[in-house]
Amino acid sequence: AQKITQTQPGMFVQEKEAVTLDCTYDTSDPSYGLFWYKQPSSGEMIFLIYQGSYDQQNATEGRYSLNFQKARKSANLVISASQLGDSAMYFCAIQEAGNQFYFGTGTSLTVIP
Amino acid sequence: NAGVTQTPKFRILKIGQSMTLQCTQDMNHNYMYWYRQDPGMGLKLIYYSVGAGITDKGEVPNGYNVSRSTTEDFPLRLELAAPSQTSVYFCASSSAVRRGATGANVLTFGAGSRLTVL
Repeated sequence: AQKITQTQPGMFVQEKEAVTLDCTYDTSDPSYGLFWYKQPSSGEMIFLIYQGSYDQQNATEGRYSLNFQKARKSANLVISASQLGDSAMYFCAIQEAGNQFYFGTGTSLTVIP
Repeated sequence: NAGVTQTPKFRILKIGQSMTLQCTQDMNHNYMYWYRQDPGMGLKLIYYSVGAGITDKGEVPNGYNVSRSTTEDFPLRLELAAPSQTSVYFCASSSAVRRGATGANVLTFGAGSRLTVL
């Protein structure tokens, strides 16, 4: 079974609008971490935001927020006020016991001027 | 502040050749990882290490070998290159485990190594 599922291969958003990128996960470990990374066309992997499984509040980092619904095993990324520079691939990842990180297949986001 | 350094950035191999991808980190991280990213896909874990002298297989270890003689270095060896190993390889590192609680063990990535096997 896939540990991370990202069901949106591609998404489009108008500049200055908000967009939600979906991520569901599968784990039986009560202690885990959820991450979002951005990969622009240049190829590097850029850390965006983190949510711990015991964190009570949704994580926020500037224009990025993580909509964490533990019972649904969902960790959606919300980008507010989209900018042209947000066009990139976005990967959701989970960190489990043994400190292994597993990634989803990614969502390609295109911001339209 | 180098972070994670991978070499080479690009390499073309012929089928059956061998090579080593080098990875060095200067953050004193215990944990190091090798991932591969096939075109249009996510990252698959090849091997990882929780400290010097300790390595373990990830999701796709076949055709690869690793060693971890020091905290800083984690080379990935391809013994008999095959076209299926054409990919972009990322080395990454992280500090000690703090899963679950507030505070992240962020994976810090190298810039990637693009390998083509012909």
